[in-house]
Amino acid sequence: GENVEQHPSTLSVQEGDSAVIKCTYSDSASNYFPWYKQELGKRPQLIIDIRSNVGEKKDQRIAVTLNKTAKHFSLHITETQPEDSAVYFCAAAAGGFKTIFGAGTRLFVKA
Amino acid sequence: DAGVIQSPRHEVTEMGQEVTLRCKPISGHNSLFWYRQTMMRGLELLIYFNNNVPIDDSGMPEDRFSAKMPNASFSTLKIQPSEPRDSAVYFCASSIGQGTNTEAFFGQGTRLTVV
Repeated sequence: GENVEQHPSTLSVQEGDSAVIKCTYSDSASNYFPWYKQELGKRPQLIIDIRSNVGEKKDQRIAVTLNKTAKHFSLHITETQPEDSAVYFCAAAAGGFKTIFGAGTRLFVKA
Repeated sequence: DAGVIQSPRHEVTEMGQEVTLRCKPISGHNSLFWYRQTMMRGLELLIYFNNNVPIDDSGMPEDRFSAKMPNASFSTLKIQPSEPRDSAVYFCASSIGQGTNTEAFFGQGTRLTVV
């Protein structure tokens, strides 16, 4: 079955700097890669997603890249702000809607 | 739409007791997922349904765990008997899932504490 690995587990950056979170997946059939943000005590919420027919997607300060050959995908947050502090999860889903999550990255943005 | 609704929000129970968690997915969504979140293991997929049918329950940890979806608007996750190591936040999520993977919308979660 699918296995998603996520790094780093913790990331601390200065406000205004960029943050990068990387994930790898094992199932070559995976075709959908969402990223979720979970604030303390709240539910995970989708922030951006990418499908396997696209190599890169951007939404304001957030961008995701996907390398299908290497089976890895990344989240990039530019000009980080304190409100970006949260736990971020990558995920991968193959046919059949089974979404497997990475272990999460706790991002701290220092003001 | 109020989103995915879970109940109860918090549950404290004694070891050995039966626990039932409830979920109402978003109307029109035909895929439903149960996840368990702990510090040690992160977000684990326990089971998911498509059109009310269990598709994959390989993530269910033991026979003590069972899940049902009697209709499109209701699902339950039951633990019997409960153990302290079952303490976690349990999330239900739903998605449209019509032929392709789409965003999963999460409920607020049920924080379960087994003492």
